[in-house]
Amino acid sequence: DIQMTQSPSSLSASVGDRVTITCRASQSINNYLNWYQLKPGKAPKVLIYAASNLHSGVPSRFSGSGSGTDFTLTISSLQPEDFATYYCQQSYSTAPETFGQGTKVDVK
Amino acid sequence: QVQLQESGPGLVKPSETLSLTCNVSGGSIDSYYWAWIRQPPGKGLEWIAYIYYSGSTAYNPSLKSGVSISIDTSKNQVSLRLNFVTAADTGTYYCAGGANNWYSLDYWGQGTLVAVSS
Repeated sequence: DIQMTQSPSSLSASVGDRVTITCRASQSINNYLNWYQLKPGKAPKVLIYAASNLHSGVPSRFSGSGSGTDFTLTISSLQPEDFATYYCQQSYSTAPETFGQGTKVDVK
Repeated sequence: QVQLQESGPGLVKPSETLSLTCNVSGGSIDSYYWAWIRQPPGKGLEWIAYIYYSGSTAYNPSLKSGVSISIDTSKNQVSLRLNFVTAADTGTYYCAGGANNWYSLDYWGQGTLVAVSS
């Protein structure tokens, strides 16, 4: 299985802060890396697909970068609606596709 | 816009079979790939299974009980069956789907909570 190591597991930030979350794969996954946002009681949302492509309707303050094994999700200016848990997912190797452990972004 | 709605029994007894259904609206079910993902309480996401356009399937080998994913095009539904459940199968189960070359999950339901308990 491809292991996805996400860091940090949690962080505290203020509105307006720049936030960076990293995700490392145990082997190269090219750019088959996706980022999701989860909020309690709501349907999860895809933010970024193929490492750096912004999904339709996602605000431009979200961006993704990386290729191979190292990837980053950046929120350029944190907004109140961005307090949530974020997960990376590799879709390079099925059975299983794997998620990172998640990063909870809460209020500082 | 594609919308997904999961439904399930809420409570299942250990060793029984868990059956979940995902109703798909706003799109043709055979134009997408579909997945089930779950989240145990207080833990992260775990991928369970995929079914592709072609009808081929893939399953998480770590699941010890029998798993089966299927689609019913006449009802626009994606289904999951999980045999011989244990307490470790407790959690929120999500249906998700997409239609691109990177297999991102672009559409998600809100999830259905399942508890395994006697």
